Amino acid sequence: AQSVTQPDIHITVSEGASLELRCNYSYGATPYLFWYVQSPGQGLQLLLKYFSGDTLVQGIKGFEAEFKRSQSSFNLRKPSVHWSDAAEYFCAVGARGNEKLTFGTGTRLTIIP
Amino acid sequence: DTGVSQNPRHKITKRGQNVTFRCDPISEHNRLYWYRQTLGQGPEFLTYFQNEAQLEKSRLLSDRFSAERPKGSFSTLEIQRTEQGDSAMYLCASSRDSMVEAFFGQGTRLTVV
Repeated sequence: AQSVTQPDIHITVSEGASLELRCNYSYGATPYLFWYVQSPGQGLQLLLKYFSGDTLVQGIKGFEAEFKRSQSSFNLRKPSVHWSDAAEYFCAVGARGNEKLTFGTGTRLTIIP
Repeated sequence: DTGVSQNPRHKITKRGQNVTFRCDPISEHNRLYWYRQTLGQGPEFLTYFQNEAQLEKSRLLSDRFSAERPKGSFSTLEIQRTEQGDSAMYLCASSRDSMVEAFFGQGTRLTVV
């Protein structure tokens, strides 16, 4: 069965500081990996995705993520956070032929001035 | 492209009542998904449709839940005899056929009192 672990429930960073959110997955086949962001009371917005190819993927809002097969990880990074990045971030795994996404429990990001 | 639309955004109902939610996917998206998200958790897969056919249902979808997608366009999710445990955010998503990238609506928040 597929699963996603986001070990950090809550992270606080200063505005302008760098950010890394951790994601580890378990999946038997080649995974498709996603990061979504959710603002309070809102739906999910796709930040970036990895299907195949270059293991460093670029997304919207200056985010990037790196797929490391040997570590079963897909960590999200941003070099300099903005106050508007405060939100809940979800990592998810899926695959072609397996239509459902399995999400992690999320990491809540707080930005301090 | 107006995005995935869900109605209503909020619903408060008394225990034992029936409720119905509607989802209008992005036009030309053949696949439509329903997820449920409880407080502090990531979304959990409920069911998905390819056109009008319901192809997979999670064991989370008890007999009190039913989903339809007549004519392969909008979808409805009905919950009969609501229970307090049904209180959650119900998210709808859609994607193009054979792609795993899903676009989410803003969700319907259900509160059962």
